[in-house]
Amino acid sequence: QKEVEQDPGPLSVPEGAIVSLNCTYSNSAFQYFMWYRQYSRKGPELLMYTYSSGNKEDGRFTAQVDKSSKYISLFIRDSQPSDSATYLCAMRGTSYDKVIFGPGTSLSVIP
Amino acid sequence: KAGVTQTPRYLIKTRGQQVTLSCSPISGHRSVSWYQQTPGQGLQFLFEYFSETQRNKGNFPGRFSGRQFSNSRSEMNVSTLELGDSALYLCASSAGTPNQPQHFGDGTRLSIL
Repeated sequence: QKEVEQDPGPLSVPEGAIVSLNCTYSNSAFQYFMWYRQYSRKGPELLMYTYSSGNKEDGRFTAQVDKSSKYISLFIRDSQPSDSATYLCAMRGTSYDKVIFGPGTSLSVIP
Repeated sequence: KAGVTQTPRYLIKTRGQQVTLSCSPISGHRSVSWYQQTPGQGLQFLFEYFSETQRNKGNFPGRFSGRQFSNSRSEMNVSTLELGDSALYLCASSAGTPNQPQHFGDGTRLSIL
């Protein structure tokens, strides 16, 4: 079993839809949780960075962390074609641990 | 503020050669991490340097090595290149202190012929 699991997709939604992206993990020591967006031929871009359990909102993006279920989510409201990319979840234990990435979910938002 | 800069962007090498990739972190960042990204394996951690010292290491063979200079710039070297080393190599920098996430460059695309 991999430390971080993520549905690879591809996920295809119409413009304006609410998108839900999810990751599960096995290591209960993870405390820091991140979501990155990666466009083709570019490096990952940090979208959200959260610590421990709870919700965090930034514009159209909401990150949720449920440590009791070892489950994190990223919600995208009013999705746009420009949101079409691969979304990577990532997590780490202490701040000095290496970061572990999920395999990524490919998202297409259709106009 | 300038982002993470990686050079070169593209590189073609042949088996058996060696290669050196360069990474300039965001100004003020002292931690630099290197990752290998392939379609089959995703993002895999190579190593992290903080203040010129290797702080973490992934599960890659000794052919993969790195170093960090006093100005926080980092280089990664791969010796005796193999076909399987073809990948996107990404560098990420952070302040290296608690609660500070990593920011990535656009990577070096390495192709081995």
